[in-house]
Amino acid sequence: EVQLEESGGGLVQPGGSLRLSCAASGFMFNNYVMTWVRQAPGKGPEWVSAISASGRSTYYADSVKDRFTISRDNSKNTLYLQMNGLRAEDTALYYCAKDQVGNIADAFDIWGQGTVVTVSS
Amino acid sequence: QSALTQPASVSGSPGQSITISCTGTSSDVGGYNSVSWYQQHPGKAPKLMIYDISNRPSGVSGRFSGSKSGNTASLTISGLQAEDEAEYYCSAYRSGNTVVFGGGTKVTVL
Repeated sequence: EVQLEESGGGLVQPGGSLRLSCAASGFMFNNYVMTWVRQAPGKGPEWVSAISASGRSTYYADSVKDRFTISRDNSKNTLYLQMNGLRAEDTALYYCAKDQVGNIADAFDIWGQGTVVTVSS
Repeated sequence: QSALTQPASVSGSPGQSITISCTGTSSDVGGYNSVSWYQQHPGKAPKLMIYDISNRPSGVSGRFSGSKSGNTASLTISGLQAEDEAEYYCSAYRSGNTVVFGGGTKVTVL
């Protein structure tokens, strides 16, 4: 079964850091672009960041550029999101998603259940 | 990065057809074929319903169809059923290697 499972969310103070992880199973992880998408309470999804299959190319939304870092370990079938300088507006449910083929322009055909990040003092 | 524009809500009776629009610009919806639609029930993760404007993933009902004209994409649900009641989001690739989502449309089955 194709599956994505996020972890690492929690409550953090403004300015703090968190590292999210996404464990993948049931597909050839190292063949696909992987993406982080977040959804604030009562809002639509927001694309956050993506990484190429090899990990050599990374892409970020303007809202997180220079604060968040996406990475992957293909030997462990795991995707990461290092989040620094967290702000209240980063509060959201963070999903990891698999791109349908191998291009950042692809649709997201598999989603995890998400991990909640709350930024508050 | 402004979101794609969707109507806040659309409703229809069982058996009817409804259409949801998604308006962007020539830098996203109008410039590429990478337009997707997602269905999200409360408390659940989004589910891919349409990709590349009009293609359905395996397992998605044929009652769902997509199209595009200029900078506006559309999702049509035919033969509306109670289980179709959900939030629907469009997304599109935007030039500069980013992806943008719509604000969402709440579909209500009357």
